[in-house]
Amino acid sequence: SAVISQKPSRDICQRGTSLTIQCQVDSQVTMMFWYRQQPGQSLTLIATANQGSEATYESGFVIDKFPISRPNLTFSTLTVSNMSPEDSSIYLCSVEGQGRPGELFFGEGSRLTVL
Amino acid sequence: GDSVTQMEGPVTLSEEAFLTINCTYTATGYPSLFWYVQYPGEGLQLLLKATKADDKGSNKGFEATYRKETTSFHLEKGSVQVSDSAVYFCALSNDYKLSFGAGTTVTVRA
Repeated sequence: SAVISQKPSRDICQRGTSLTIQCQVDSQVTMMFWYRQQPGQSLTLIATANQGSEATYESGFVIDKFPISRPNLTFSTLTVSNMSPEDSSIYLCSVEGQGRPGELFFGEGSRLTVL
Repeated sequence: GDSVTQMEGPVTLSEEAFLTINCTYTATGYPSLFWYVQYPGEGLQLLLKATKADDKGSNKGFEATYRKETTSFHLEKGSVQVSDSAVYFCALSNDYKLSFGAGTTVTVRA
């Protein structure tokens, strides 16, 4: 298993500002995944972050809006830029279990509310 | 593309009732199938999985069988408890990407 810590756990933000979410894993992992869970909705993959290379974004998500850093094998950040109320969501960091394709471990999420 | 469809909630049950949450999928190749659960105030966690056709995943009294012929992975529990109240997500994995269903909220009343 993997223990994942996210900061902040929740925040209230003003329109037009940016917020960076941090994700720390207790073990070294190759890929880290960032998901969004909008109110009452399922999880949508934003991007996959590999250490040492640019993140791979899913359709509908762009680097200018959601820049991601992956400086080492245990840490990643996701920034939500120029926020609007539509960005109010839970943002989740996850990693795959070692040798367990598809089995993801999730952080508790960062609940953002944009006013 | 890959997709997962699960029954809409919310579902409200009495303790010891039988629970079924339907899940069907569309995918190329041979995906692995999962049920994830999100208890109130907690993070998402894996409940059970099946990696090939006819496999049965089980955990905490829950079961689901990978049915390739009907592209389904229905979740069942014979006797639910109040502690089973949660949101349940069906998911499939193709390559390294997970696709999630919309989630089903289950409330079990004493």
